Amino acid sequence: EIVLTQSPGTLSLSPGERATLSCRASQSVSSSYLAWYQHKPGQAPRLLIYGASSRATGISDRFSGSGSGTDFTLTINRLEPEDFAVYYCQLYGNSPRYTFGQGTKLEIK
Amino acid sequence: QLQLQESGPGLVKPSETLSLTCTVSGFSITNSPNNWGWIRQPPGKGLEWIGSFYYSGGAHYNPSLKSRVTISVDTSKNQFSLKLTSVTAADTAVYYCASPNPQQWVSGEPFDYWGQGTLVTVSS
Repeated sequence: EIVLTQSPGTLSLSPGERATLSCRASQSVSSSYLAWYQHKPGQAPRLLIYGASSRATGISDRFSGSGSGTDFTLTINRLEPEDFAVYYCQLYGNSPRYTFGQGTKLEIK
Repeated sequence: QLQLQESGPGLVKPSETLSLTCTVSGFSITNSPNNWGWIRQPPGKGLEWIGSFYYSGGAHYNPSLKSRVTISVDTSKNQFSLKLTSVTAADTAVYYCASPNPQQWVSGEPFDYWGQGTLVTVSS
């Protein structure tokens, strides 16, 4: 079973700054199968990025994904107040079919 | 536009069976190759995939829950359901139903559509 480890656990930044979130897989994976979600309290998670770098429909171009192999990154430029949330990376695989990282909380500094 | 809505009891007793239903609107549940999934989030913890049902290919379950989980579909009602047996307090969570975009198949089948979630508490 592939494990996804996200870092940092909590990231404290100010609006206008850039956020860089990391997701590391325990073994090399296909970038086609790596996605990122944003999750706010009381709301359903929202798909941001799929295929490691493709933005989902309606997602601002301030959000970008990159990476390959075992290391993947979600970058959020020019943070806005509504960006502060928990972010999860997720892998599509064999067993289990879907695996989530433990999440990174992006909080206002 | 695909919409998903969870329904079911908010309180389940320990050792009993948790049963939830997800009503799908805007798309037929029988359309392949879409999968229909359940994900949960225990209080203060992260997201956990429970399982997914492929109308053309059956169900896939998280190995950690496989012995207790069944996902099935009711095509007449355009619904899919989750049953989790022998629940304990550790099964207390917000349960989401979710689906990839049925009109744009994407490698990796990310969950693009979600219900709003329903809190299920396991307590006597």
